[in-house]
Amino acid sequence: QVQLKESGPGLVQPSQTLSLTCTVSGFSLTSNSVHWVRQPPGKGLEWVGAIWSGGSTDYNSALKSRLSISRDTSKSQVFLKMNSLQTEDTAIYFCTRLGGGPWGQGVMVTVSS
Amino acid sequence: DIQMTQSPSSLPASLGDRVTITCRASQDIGNYLRWFQQKPGKSPRLMIYGATNLAAGVPSRFSGSRSGSDYSLTISSLESEDMADYYCLQSKESPLTFGSGTKLEIK
Repeated sequence: QVQLKESGPGLVQPSQTLSLTCTVSGFSLTSNSVHWVRQPPGKGLEWVGAIWSGGSTDYNSALKSRLSISRDTSKSQVFLKMNSLQTEDTAIYFCTRLGGGPWGQGVMVTVSS
Repeated sequence: DIQMTQSPSSLPASLGDRVTITCRASQDIGNYLRWFQQKPGKSPRLMIYGATNLAAGVPSRFSGSRSGSDYSLTISSLESEDMADYYCLQSKESPLTFGSGTKLEIK
């Protein structure tokens, strides 16, 4: 069945780079887009960016200068890299197809020294 | 970027009530509008896609509608399991944008 699972460090120091991995199963990355969505504690959902089935990417306007999304189709993995992290980037980061079906459970990322 | 203005931010309601949540798009998004439900500590769940289509497994008391640039999610008779946060999302063009959310709570 369709599954997505995020992994990565729970704690990142300010100004450092965040690297997250979304490992998927039950569907092909070459036929489906995968999106990253984040949610600061107690706040709403924010679309971060996406990698489309053809491999092109789109990013949140406010984040695009710091953000990169890529994939390894042979490993069924999608990667998020965000540099120059600040405390405002503290959030749960989800990966999802945004359609029906499950999201990842999310990974809590805290930016703190 | 397309702005999605969602209202109300909080909606106290009683079991059995009919409730409506609305999102207004800042420019034309056609029917590229989805609604998500999120319960505390859980990942979001797709409820409505294409503005009016019920996602698989969603109870029929949920419905979506559109009037011009206003999009609505309606629950015809509120049940306790519906207490959650709800978000709209436009997927007409990138960057995709969410509404600010509505907290549906028991009055």
